[in-house]
Order: sequence, then structure tokens, then C-alpha cells
Amino acid sequence: GENVEQHPSTLSVQEGDSAVIKCTYSDSASNYFPWYKQELGKRPQLIIDIRSNVGEKKDQRIAVTLNKTAKHFSLHITETQPEDSAVYFCAAITDGGSNYKLTFGKGTLLTVNP
Amino acid sequence: DTEVTQTPKHLVMGMTNKKSLKCEQHMGHRAMYWYKQKAKKPPELMFVYSYEKLSINESVPSRFSPECPNSSLLNLHLHALQPEDSALYLCASSQRGKSSYEQYFGPGTRLTVT
Repeated sequence: GENVEQHPSTLSVQEGDSAVIKCTYSDSASNYFPWYKQELGKRPQLIIDIRSNVGEKKDQRIAVTLNKTAKHFSLHITETQPEDSAVYFCAAITDGGSNYKLTFGKGTLLTVNP
Repeated sequence: DTEVTQTPKHLVMGMTNKKSLKCEQHMGHRAMYWYKQKAKKPPELMFVYSYEKLSINESVPSRFSPECPNSSLLNLHLHALQPEDSALYLCASSQRGKSSYEQYFGPGTRLTVT
């Protein structure tokens, strides 16, 4: 089955700095890579995603890049703000034809210091 | 309506109790999921329903019994739980069909087993 590794497990940055979180996956058949943000006590919220036929996607201060050859993808947050503080999970889906199973990374606790 | 709702928000139950968790979505999604999330861990898939039929059971103990009465509702029946089953139980839904992978999570039910 798919295995997703995520690094770092914790990340502390100053407000206004950039933050980068990296994930690798094992199954070359995986074709969809979402990122979820989870604030303390709240639901995981889909913030951005990328499909295997795209190398980069950007949405305001958030961008995701995908390197299919190396099987890794990264989340980039620019101009970080205190409200970006949360746990971020990467995930991968392998389209098995009938079941879409999300495999999550272990998460990164991002702290943005004012 | 773009939300997944879950009830109750909190549940405390003894090991001999029977209770049910409920999940509802009105986005027309035909895949629904139950996840279990322990503190500081990623969501862990339990069950997947596709077109109201159980398509994935991740070897979950029989004290957890899922039910999908219709395309909008998902239940999780609980019986004879153990203290280690205390966790946040998340419901999610997604479209079915090619290129429809986005999963949206409900707010979860915080379960405590005493």
C-alpha cells in the first residue's frame, strides 16, 4: 500500500517568513495530493491540492509543487501569519478504480510567532 | 450546502453502553467515510461507503458497526467500547467518479469511553 512520509514534524517561523513542508510517497500510481490544515479542536480543512498531471499550483500565499519522478511534493506558505499556526497534513490518493483511499502523512505542527 | 455535519459534538459513554454517531451531507456526494483521530496523529481510515455500499473496512473491531441508510446519511453504531477507543471520530464525504477526489470533513464527535 501507499506510504507517505512528512517532514518536519514541527516548524517554528517568525511572522512574515516563509514555511515549507515536504512529503514523499511510495506508490507511483498515486495521482492526487491534498493538503489539510487542522487547527486545535477543529476539523481537517482542505487548503490546496494538486493532481499528478500538474507540477505546481498556487492559491494566494499557498503553493504546492509536485515532482513525480522523485515522488515528492511540498507545501509553501509565504508571508506567514499567526493564524497559519496549525497542524498540516499531506496526503496521497491512489485511484484504485473503485476506492479512493487517502493515506496521510504524520503531520507538521507549524507555529508562527508574532 | 457545502458542509458535512456530525452529531453529537461530544459523547461520554461507559463500556457497556450502546450509542450512535451521525453524519449528514447534502452535497450530493456518493462516497462517505469514517475516520478515527487520536491526539497529535493523522486521521485513520475506518470505513468507506460508496453508493451506500460498504466498500472498505480497515479491519475495524466489530464493536464499531457502520450504517449508510441513504446517500446523505452515515451512522456509526458503538457497543462495548474500550477506553482506548476514546478519540475524535470524523466523517468525510466526496464525489465519486474520475477526478473527483476531494474529501470534506465534518467537525467530528469527541468520544470519551469511561
